[in-house]
Amino acid sequence: SAVISQKPSRDICQRGTSLTIQCQVDSQVTMMFWYRQQPGQSLTLIATANQGSEATYESGFVIDKFPISRPNLTFSTLTVSNMSPEDSSIYLCSVHTGRELFFGEGSRLTVL
Amino acid sequence: DQQVKQNSPSLSVQEGRISILNCDYTNSMFDYFLWYKKYPAEGPTFLISISSIKDKNEDGRFTVFLNKSAKHLSLHIVPSQPGDSAVYFCAASEGLGGSARQLTFGSGTQLTVLP
Repeated sequence: SAVISQKPSRDICQRGTSLTIQCQVDSQVTMMFWYRQQPGQSLTLIATANQGSEATYESGFVIDKFPISRPNLTFSTLTVSNMSPEDSSIYLCSVHTGRELFFGEGSRLTVL
Repeated sequence: DQQVKQNSPSLSVQEGRISILNCDYTNSMFDYFLWYKKYPAEGPTFLISISSIKDKNEDGRFTVFLNKSAKHLSLHIVPSQPGDSAVYFCAASEGLGGSARQLTFGSGTQLTVLP
């Protein structure tokens, strides 16, 4: 298993602003994943954060909107840029161990 | 196109009785299935999994059944306890190799166990 810490746990943001979410893992991992859970919806993969290379984005998500950093094997950030109310979601960092994903506690963003 | 479907958004069960949560999938290439539990203000936590080479996996009060021909899996919780009240997500993945396994999640079922 892995212990994953995310910051902030929640925030209320103004439309048009950007917010960076931090994810710290207690062990070195090759890949880190960022998911989004919109209200009442499933968990949707935004991108895979690779150390030493650009993140790989899923269909419907672009780097300009969700820039990701992965400076080392235990840390990653996800920025939600130019936020709109539609970005109000829980954003989750996760890592892979075996065939299971372990998740952080999530960052709940509300955009006014 | 939802490849993993949980058609029941909510389920209420009396304490001590069995809870059965259902999940259907459409992608025949899925070969590994998982259940996650999520409490409010927490991230999802892994609960139990099953490989496509099996049709049942049991862990304490939790049992997952897989029916490949019907592309259906279910999670049984018996006996149900109030602490089991949470959102349960079904997830599936396909393919072999590496650690970059992407999971496709269902939309979740809110289980409420009544005391």
